[in-house]
Amino acid sequence: KQEVTQIPAALSVPEGENLVLNCSFTDSAIYNLQWFRQDPGKGLTSLLLIQSSQREQTSGRLNASLDKSSGRSTLYIAASQPGDSATYLCAVSYGAGNNRKLIWGLGTSLGVNP
Amino acid sequence: SQTIHQWPATLVQPVGSPLSLECTVEGTSNPNLYWYRQAAGRGLQLLFYSVGIGQISSEVPQNLSASRPQDRQFILSSKKLLLSDSGFYLCAWSLGSGWGHEQYFGPGTRLTVT
Repeated sequence: KQEVTQIPAALSVPEGENLVLNCSFTDSAIYNLQWFRQDPGKGLTSLLLIQSSQREQTSGRLNASLDKSSGRSTLYIAASQPGDSATYLCAVSYGAGNNRKLIWGLGTSLGVNP
Repeated sequence: SQTIHQWPATLVQPVGSPLSLECTVEGTSNPNLYWYRQAAGRGLQLLFYSVGIGQISSEVPQNLSASRPQDRQFILSSKKLLLSDSGFYLCAWSLGSGWGHEQYFGPGTRLTVT
């Protein structure tokens, strides 16, 4: 069964810390992996998308890595700010063509304290 | 630039009443469209997806239905709401076939069935 797990479910850090969010997946035959951000009561914003052939993607203070062999992805946030407080979701894409599907994690709720 | 709209933003409906949620996308053509539900403590659940006008695929059997009357319009409906239909409904779009392409989400509709 294809599952995506995000640990921890919640995280609270002081402002300025570098932090790592984890996403693990049971089936390593992925097509790609995406990280999303969700603010309370809002829709999702795509942060980074890593293709299965890639090892990492960077956008500003965010860096996402992918290790298919170990079934893991990490989202690294540098110099965290209170505005980074949100829920971060990981979604893994499997399959091909019309049989492709996204498997979602439950997210990590991040709080950055000023 | 592309934008995605959902309305209403919030909705409170009694059990047994009908439902109609609307999603529209601007600034792109022939997008793939998706309806998700996010219930408290649970991950994102894909309800329906559409690769073209009149083409709807259902992922989960339920009392909900979807329609795509126009290229950039996606509607989620129910004839009789259940308490279990409460949740946060998200519409998303992507370009290209399959699931490996980046998805962009709308602001969501919070539905409470009383």
